[in-house]
Amino acid sequence: AQSVTQLGSHVSVSEGALVLLRCNYSSSVPPYLFWYVQYPNQGLQLLLKYTTGATLVKGINGFEAEFKKSETSFHLTKPSAHMSDAAEYFCAVSEAAGNKLTFGGGTRVLVKP
Amino acid sequence: GAGVSQTPSNKVTEKGKYVELRCDPISGHTALYWYRQSLGQGPEFLIYFQGTGAADDSGLPNDRFFAVRPEGSVSTLKIQRTERGDSAVYLCASSRFTSSSTDTQYFGPGTRLTVL
Repeated sequence: AQSVTQLGSHVSVSEGALVLLRCNYSSSVPPYLFWYVQYPNQGLQLLLKYTTGATLVKGINGFEAEFKKSETSFHLTKPSAHMSDAAEYFCAVSEAAGNKLTFGGGTRVLVKP
Repeated sequence: GAGVSQTPSNKVTEKGKYVELRCDPISGHTALYWYRQSLGQGPEFLIYFQGTGAADDSGLPNDRFFAVRPEGSVSTLKIQRTERGDSAVYLCASSRFTSSSTDTQYFGPGTRLTVL
């Protein structure tokens, strides 16, 4: 069975500071990994995904994540936070292409001016 | 093109009533997924369709929940004898399902169900 743990349900960062959201997963097979963002009253939007190949994945809005198999992690980073990054972020894992997603509990990001 | 749409956006019902939630996937997407998101939690998988058939319904919590996709496009999630614990946002997603590793699920805005 798959599971996803996101450390920290809430993160507060200053505008311009580094954003780091942590995600650890468990999977019995090589996983597909995803980060989604959810803005208030909107649907989930894909930020980036890892399937195969390069372990450093770049996504939209300046976000990137690195797949570290030895640490079973897929942490999300952005070098400089913007006010528009305030949202809830979800890490998810899938065991096969097109298969169901298992989500973490989410991390809500607050950006302070 | 148009994204995944879900209707209604909000549904308030009384305990014990029957409800139907509708999902219109992106045109041409053969795979359709239902998830449930309770307050303060991540989405949880309910059921997934490949075409008209349910390929995986392991996430349905009990036999009060049922979903159909008769023509391989629009899907309806049906909940019988609703309980207060069914209150949540119900999310629908669709994908092309080409079995490619680049397949992505696109989510609708959700239906917020409140059971009084």
